[in-house]
Amino acid sequence: KQEVTQIPAALSVPEGENLVLNCSFTDSAIYNLQWFRQDPGKGLTSLLLIQSSQREQTSGRLNASLDKSSGRSTLYIAASQPGDSATYLCAVPSGGGADGLTFGKGTHLIIQP
Amino acid sequence: SQTIHQWPATLVQPVGSPLSLECTVEGTSNPNLYWYRQAAGRGLQLLFYSVGIGQISSEVPQNLSASRPQDRQFILSSKKLLLSDSGFYLCAWSAVITGELFFGEGSRLTVL
Repeated sequence: KQEVTQIPAALSVPEGENLVLNCSFTDSAIYNLQWFRQDPGKGLTSLLLIQSSQREQTSGRLNASLDKSSGRSTLYIAASQPGDSATYLCAVPSGGGADGLTFGKGTHLIIQP
Repeated sequence: SQTIHQWPATLVQPVGSPLSLECTVEGTSNPNLYWYRQAAGRGLQLLFYSVGIGQISSEVPQNLSASRPQDRQFILSSKKLLLSDSGFYLCAWSAVITGELFFGEGSRLTVL
């Protein structure tokens, strides 16, 4: 059974810092990994999708890397802003086919102005 | 472009009452559809998924049920709500080719 762990559970940093969020998964036989953002009381917004054949994906100030063999992914946020404050979740396919994703519990990020 | 709509956004129901949450997707055909629940302090739990009309797979035994009467419509129901059904319910669809998952805005259910 796939399990996903995110470290740290919470992080508070001053504005402008670069930061790294970590995600690990137990079953490395995945075909993709997805990072999401969730604002309080809202649904999840997809940030980045990394296919298993890729090692990283970039979108603006966000960069996500994937190391399947070690079961790890990182989300790098450059030049953090107060608007980046949210919970960040990573997720991997639960198994084969269409049976959804297994999620970590997220990293609650606060960027201090 | 594809959009996903979910309603109602907020619901307060007494124990023992019925439930119906609805989700529709626009701009895509034959999507895989999902219902997740997010309870306070816990991660997202997959409840149901569907790969086509009338095809429902259940991940967790409970007093909830799901139906897919049309290609882009997914409904979550209960005949009698329990206190433990309180939570944040999220509908999602996935792109078949990439597997990317997209979520609706969620429905917050409070059972009293």
